[in-house]
Amino acid sequence: EDQVTQSPEALRLQEGESSSLNCSYTVSGLRGLFWYRQDPGKGPEFLFTLYSAGEEKEKERLKATLTKKESFLHITAPKPEDSATYLCAVQDSSNTGKLIFGQGTTLQVKP
Amino acid sequence: SQTIHQWPATLVQPVGSPLSLECTVEGTSNPNLYWYRQAAGRGLQLLFYSVGIGQISSEVPQNLSASRPQDRQFILSSKKLLLSDSGFYLCAWRVGTLYGYTFGSGTRLTVV
Repeated sequence: EDQVTQSPEALRLQEGESSSLNCSYTVSGLRGLFWYRQDPGKGPEFLFTLYSAGEEKEKERLKATLTKKESFLHITAPKPEDSATYLCAVQDSSNTGKLIFGQGTTLQVKP
Repeated sequence: SQTIHQWPATLVQPVGSPLSLECTVEGTSNPNLYWYRQAAGRGLQLLFYSVGIGQISSEVPQNLSASRPQDRQFILSSKKLLLSDSGFYLCAWRVGTLYGYTFGSGTRLTVV
């Protein structure tokens, strides 16, 4: 069964304190791993797509990496505006484009 | 440009009342369309998806139904709402299977 598990559920950082969020996945034949950012009361906003182990992508203070079993979202020197819930998802094994989401990690960055 | 519209933003409905949430996309053709529900503090649960007009697949048995009367219109409905239908409903579209979803702004449904 396709499955995505994110950890930790919640993370509190001081401004400038770098850290990483984890996304472990189980899927038959990875067709894509996706990271989203969600602000309270809003729809998720697309951040990255990773397709193969060893791939890395960066956007401002965020860098996503991928291995055969997990993905990490590294946050370097975070700012309060980085506070949000970060969602990880994998495309499932069917050919319908369905995404299976993890529960998310809620990040709070204090000034 | 490609955009997705979802309305209403918030809705408070009594138990037993009907529901209709609408989602439309612009600037693309033949998108895959999805309805997700997000309970408080939880991840996204896929409810329905559609790969074309009139083609609906249901992921979980529930009190809801979906329809796709036009290529870029996706509707979520219920004949009689339950308290457990409360949640944050999100519509999403995807052109092909190589790229991530684009989500709508969501509807906060509270059944009272």
